[in-house]
Amino acid sequence: EIVMTQSPATLSVSPGERATLSCRASRSVSTILAWYQHKPGQAPRLLIYGASTRFTGVPARFSGSGSGTEFTLTISSLQSEDFAVYYCQQYSEWPRTFGQGTKVAIK
Amino acid sequence: EVQLLESGGGLVQPGGSLRLSCAASRFDFTNAAMSWVRQAPGRGLEWVSTVAPNGVVTYYADSVKGRFTISRDNSKNTLFLQMDSLRVEDTALYFCVLNGGDFPNIYAFDQWGQGTLLTVSS
Repeated sequence: EIVMTQSPATLSVSPGERATLSCRASRSVSTILAWYQHKPGQAPRLLIYGASTRFTGVPARFSGSGSGTEFTLTISSLQSEDFAVYYCQQYSEWPRTFGQGTKVAIK
Repeated sequence: EVQLLESGGGLVQPGGSLRLSCAASRFDFTNAAMSWVRQAPGRGLEWVSTVAPNGVVTYYADSVKGRFTISRDNSKNTLFLQMDSLRVEDTALYFCVLNGGDFPNIYAFDQWGQGTLLTVSS
């Protein structure tokens, strides 16, 4: 299976600052990668698919980049509602696999 | 707005069985691939299973293969997960998820329910 590895495990950021989250695949997934936001007690939310395409209703401050095995999710200016856990996930092959998550915490 | 409402969670002893349901509405369920994804306490997200729109093609994580069965009733817009031979490590919040794409292309997990909690304990 394709192993997804995210870094860092926790990212402490001040509101208004930029956050950069990384995701690495154990082998190429081309751009068949998604990013999700998950807040406690809520349903996870799709942010990015196809590595760089924002899903419906996702603010422009969220952007995704990368291809092959290296991917990045950038939040350009963190808002209070952005503090959450973020997961990358490949849907190139079965089984579908997630990274272990990056927690974006208030600094 | 897509609605996915899970039910059927509860407390089960190891070795027991349970069936989860997901009532779907406000989208074309008949032509949508559907999945179950779970989150164990304090852990990340884990894909469990996916079913094609026709209910015939199914996919399973190795951790549940042979024990769980995904199915759907397109006449009732309902997704199911039959879970047998349950283990303590199956304890998790189980999310019902709508996949993007048109079968055979099954894409990301577009929309998620709130989840239903399964606890496996003696």
